[in-house]
Amino acid sequence: EAGVTQFPSHSVIEKGQTVTLRCDPISGHDNLYWYRRVMGKEIKFLLHFVKESKQDESGMPNNRFLAERTGGTYSTLKVQPAELEDSGVYFCASSQDTAGPQETQYFGPGTRLLVL
Amino acid sequence: ELKVEQNPLFLSMQEGKNYTIYCNYSTTSDRLYWYRQDPGKSLESLFVLLSNGAVKQEGRLMASLDTKARLSTLHITAAVHDLSATYFCAVDQYGNKLVFGAGTILRVKS
Repeated sequence: EAGVTQFPSHSVIEKGQTVTLRCDPISGHDNLYWYRRVMGKEIKFLLHFVKESKQDESGMPNNRFLAERTGGTYSTLKVQPAELEDSGVYFCASSQDTAGPQETQYFGPGTRLLVL
Repeated sequence: ELKVEQNPLFLSMQEGKNYTIYCNYSTTSDRLYWYRQDPGKSLESLFVLLSNGAVKQEGRLMASLDTKARLSTLHITAAVHDLSATYFCAVDQYGNKLVFGAGTILRVKS
C-alpha cells in the first residue's frame, strides 16, 4: 500500500513568488492534515480536511495560504505571495477515522520550502 | 492552550546503554503518540497510548503513559546505532489536531 506522498520534495523560490504544494493521502483516508515545521521549531498544525470540507483551519497563519481538496482526494497548499518566514518543512498526513482508538495519522516525507 | 514539552532535546548515547525521553503536556487529552523521523523521511508512528498506565513495547523501545501526571516516557533499552533518529511525542487535541513536542535528536555512538 502506498503511503502519503508529497510533491515537490524541495522548492526554492524568491520572496513574492507563488508556490503550490501537493499531497496525495493514503487511498481511502477521508482525513487529511497539513502541518509545518519552521526554522527547527515544533511541528505546527495548519488545517484538517474531512473529505473535501475544511474541518479545522485554525492553524493557517494568514490569508496568503490557501488549501484545497477538490473531490476529497489529493490536496494542494498554495502560498501567495511567499514571504521569508514561510520557509520550512510542510508535512501532510492522512488518517482513516479520527474516532478509532488506535487511529494514527500517517505522515508524508514533507516538502522543504526555502524562500529567498 | 495545550503545550507539549519534550526533554532532552538532544541525546548522545553509547551503544548498549539505557535512557529515557520525557514528554509532558499541559491539559488532558485523548491520545498520545510517539513518532520517529529519519533525516529527510516521513514521521513513522511508533506508539499510540490511550489510557492511564498504558505501556507498549516494540523491540528496544517502550512507551508509557501517566495521564494523572500528564507524562509519557519513551525508554530505550540497550541502544543500538539503528535507533539514531529524531523522536517526537504528540498529543491529540480535540480528536484531530496533533500538538507536537520539539523533538529529541538521538545519536547512538558505537
